[in-house]
Amino acid sequence: KQEVTQIPAALSVPEGENLVLNCSFTDSAIYNLQWFRQDPGKGLTSLLLIQSSQREQTSGRLNASLDKSSGRSTLYIAASQPGDSATYLCAVDGNQFYFGTGTSLTVIP
Amino acid sequence: NAGVTQTPKFRVLKTGQSMTLLCAQDMNHEYMYWYRQDPGMGLRLIHYSVGEGTTAKGEVPDGYNVSRLKKQNFLLGLESAAPSQTSVYFCASSYHPAGGFQETQYFGPGTRLLVL
Repeated sequence: KQEVTQIPAALSVPEGENLVLNCSFTDSAIYNLQWFRQDPGKGLTSLLLIQSSQREQTSGRLNASLDKSSGRSTLYIAASQPGDSATYLCAVDGNQFYFGTGTSLTVIP
Repeated sequence: NAGVTQTPKFRVLKTGQSMTLLCAQDMNHEYMYWYRQDPGMGLRLIHYSVGEGTTAKGEVPDGYNVSRLKKQNFLLGLESAAPSQTSVYFCASSYHPAGGFQETQYFGPGTRLLVL
């Protein structure tokens, strides 16, 4: 069974700092990996999707990388803002979708 | 475009009662999913559907049934609710072009279910 781990579970940074969130998975046979954002009491919003044949995707201040062979992905957030405060989840698509438990990010003004 | 909608938003059930959660999407997506989210466990896939009239089991299907009679709707049923089914339930849908890679999932706002 696929296991998805996200480290750290919680992160607090001052505004303007660059930061990296980590996601690791145990089975490299995946079709794609997605990063989502979840605000308290809300559903998930997709941030980036990386197909298995790709190495990275970028959207604005966000950059996600994928190293399938090592079972790792990172989400890089540049120049963090208080509005970035949320829980960030990664999910891998193999035979089914498996989610990590998320990293709770707080950006301090 | 409403995207993915879920009804109800919140429900309290007594042990043994039954209920149906409704998910609707207006994006003409083929794939639809039901997840539950529990503290410390992340999201876990309950059931999913790759098209009208088809359903399949996910990671935690026991105690739930689903139906996809119309492309735009995906129903999740609890026949005899148990306290262990207290959770937040999310529905999602995605587009999967023939011969291509699946695209991103779009999530509904969630249904909070409390089983006493």
